[in-house]
Amino acid sequence: NAGVMQNPRHLVRRRGQEARLRCSPMKGHSHVYWYRQLPEEGLKFMVYLQKENIIDESGMPKERFSAEFPKEGPSILRIQQVVRGDSAAYFCASSRPGSSGNTIYFGEGSWLTVV
Amino acid sequence: SQKIEQNSEALNIQEGKTATLTCNYTNYSPAYLQWYRQDPGRGPVFLLLIRENEKEKRKERLKVTFDTTLKQSLFHITASQPADSATYLCALRETNTGNQFYFGTGTSLTVIP
Repeated sequence: NAGVMQNPRHLVRRRGQEARLRCSPMKGHSHVYWYRQLPEEGLKFMVYLQKENIIDESGMPKERFSAEFPKEGPSILRIQQVVRGDSAAYFCASSRPGSSGNTIYFGEGSWLTVV
Repeated sequence: SQKIEQNSEALNIQEGKTATLTCNYTNYSPAYLQWYRQDPGRGPVFLLLIRENEKEKRKERLKVTFDTTLKQSLFHITASQPADSATYLCALRETNTGNQFYFGTGTSLTVIP
């Protein structure tokens, strides 16, 4: 777990503000996944990215949410105009490319609270 | 619709016994199935991976089975210990749908000393 770095670990935002969550994958990993977990619920897939490409964003809400994984720097999950329902734990995971990427490794999560 | 279902109830077992957790899936064609452990306030930790052409995989006190006919995986922890208390998640990956990983809701296991 220590290999995937997420920050901040805890974030409090007022309704209407923006939240930015960062994820640095493990060394050698070029694939990043973002998941959301609500209390007592499972991990819900949001988006799958490779460097500079969004591969699958089928789990992303149509509005206010966006993600990127630039050539340099961490992956960013951005939530604009947050609402109370956005309060959740957001987990990032990473994997290697190809068949060796059939295991994903998670960070410790970013806990977003919207007040 | 696609579903991944794990034991709906929390599982409590006595220390030293074998814990068996189930994962059933509907309308998926997984190439890989994995089990993760999650402790409160932490990220999931990878435990075991099993491929569609494998029936069983072992790692120390852990054993996973995978039955593609029944569309089910079983996860066993033998000689359970209180430190095994956690939530266990199953996840599967198909090879032809963008390669995302789909997760079940998890089973909470408590091992009673």
